[in-house]
Amino acid sequence: NAGVTQTPKFRILKIGQSMTLQCTQDMNHNYMYWYRQDPGMGLKLIYYSVGAGITDKGEVPNGYNVSRSTTEDFPLRLELAAPSQTSVYFCASSFGHPNTEAFFGQGTRLTVV
Amino acid sequence: AQRVTQPEKLLSVFKGAPVELKCNYSYSGSPELFWYVQYSRQRLQLLLRHISRESIKGFTADLNKGETSFHLKKPFAQEEDSAMYYCASLYGGSQGNLIFGKGTKLSVKP
Repeated sequence: NAGVTQTPKFRILKIGQSMTLQCTQDMNHNYMYWYRQDPGMGLKLIYYSVGAGITDKGEVPNGYNVSRSTTEDFPLRLELAAPSQTSVYFCASSFGHPNTEAFFGQGTRLTVV
Repeated sequence: AQRVTQPEKLLSVFKGAPVELKCNYSYSGSPELFWYVQYSRQRLQLLLRHISRESIKGFTADLNKGETSFHLKKPFAQEEDSAMYYCASLYGGSQGNLIFGKGTKLSVKP
């Protein structure tokens, strides 16, 4: 059972480039989340999804886009990378009420130069 | 807006000493509250949740609605408890809106 898998683990982008961070889960979870964690800071919610076809903004959605075409996948898109997006990105998923435990991926370390 | 506050960035104690990691939430309703832990080089994982009223690895946390707090406690800290601890909240009105505090780094010295 792989759980939550994120790719890539590391990436360096140039300013203005775009990329997609991939996240997939094999637990048939309804809920999926994207967080960013800046150095010395906590996790900030970027976007979340409560099921296929449904996405919602979190605390810091600007500069990002998401889609949820399947239950398994929840990719995060950066269209025009900026240095402020240098961070560690975490994807997570949960089954939903009443079993609301969130399972996390290993993270993607992104540097924008 | 919902908010989770962890006032301490770093908490350092000696082995065998009691530990209390503070967490306060801002919401007038009934949130579901959690403590997550991230050990070195491991994924963030659930430690405990308030609805289970459980004790995990000797840690307990009690929801105090009057003080809007959910502090994490352990009577005798162990070196293996050294990790980052995050308090998180989930509100019934929006099951997807899982919000985390900034985290407290616990360092247990021998």
